[in-house]
Amino acid sequence: KAGVTQTPRYLIKTRGQQVTLSCSPISGHRSVSWYQQTPGQGLQFLFEYFSETQRNKGNFPGRFSGRQFSNSRSEMNVSTLELGDSALYLCASSLASRRDTQYFGPGTRLTVL
Amino acid sequence: AQSVTQLDSQVPVFEEAPVELRCNYSSSVSVYLFWYVQYPNQGLQLLLKYLSGSTLVKGINGFEAEFNKSQTSFHLRKPSVHISDTAEYFCAVSVAQGGSEKLVFGKGTKLTVNP
Repeated sequence: KAGVTQTPRYLIKTRGQQVTLSCSPISGHRSVSWYQQTPGQGLQFLFEYFSETQRNKGNFPGRFSGRQFSNSRSEMNVSTLELGDSALYLCASSLASRRDTQYFGPGTRLTVL
Repeated sequence: AQSVTQLDSQVPVFEEAPVELRCNYSSSVSVYLFWYVQYPNQGLQLLLKYLSGSTLVKGINGFEAEFNKSQTSFHLRKPSVHISDTAEYFCAVSVAQGGSEKLVFGKGTKLTVNP
């Protein structure tokens, strides 16, 4: 089985712009979660989608949003970028429940100048 | 709120030495615990997980972890490390929230294996 793929792998944007990141889960996985990783804050949960519905959300401002398509692929969008949004954004997919392993993609490295 | 504490931010060891990476979590009714490893410029890879049953969990690459409910700990061990084990290791707990779940991660422990 192919693993979780994320595109693009690297992205450079300037303050005020918006960005869309894409995640393709493992075939058959219906849950997709997004995490932000920074040196200062570590790994923080952004949100989780299951069957095209947001099931869970972390403590991030409304500038961070996402969606999931019928084929389970997911996108996250960040509007009005700030310098502090520079981070590695990781996507993880799993079957459905808490007991299931989350499989992570390689991440998208976003740099905001 | 659930939290995870990794007690050491950096652990240097020599090749073939044993290593223990420590992890403590805040208690909950049911706890699912995970250890992930992250190599440079890569995503996270699952090493092992504890769901229930035997408190000693064996994972990939010779790693194992022991769940200790009374100590609320889930320490990761390897009896003999290799240079290739150099990476960052994250302990995580699965938290039930609003009919769903999320992983809460510790801050990570950077393991450096020296020749």
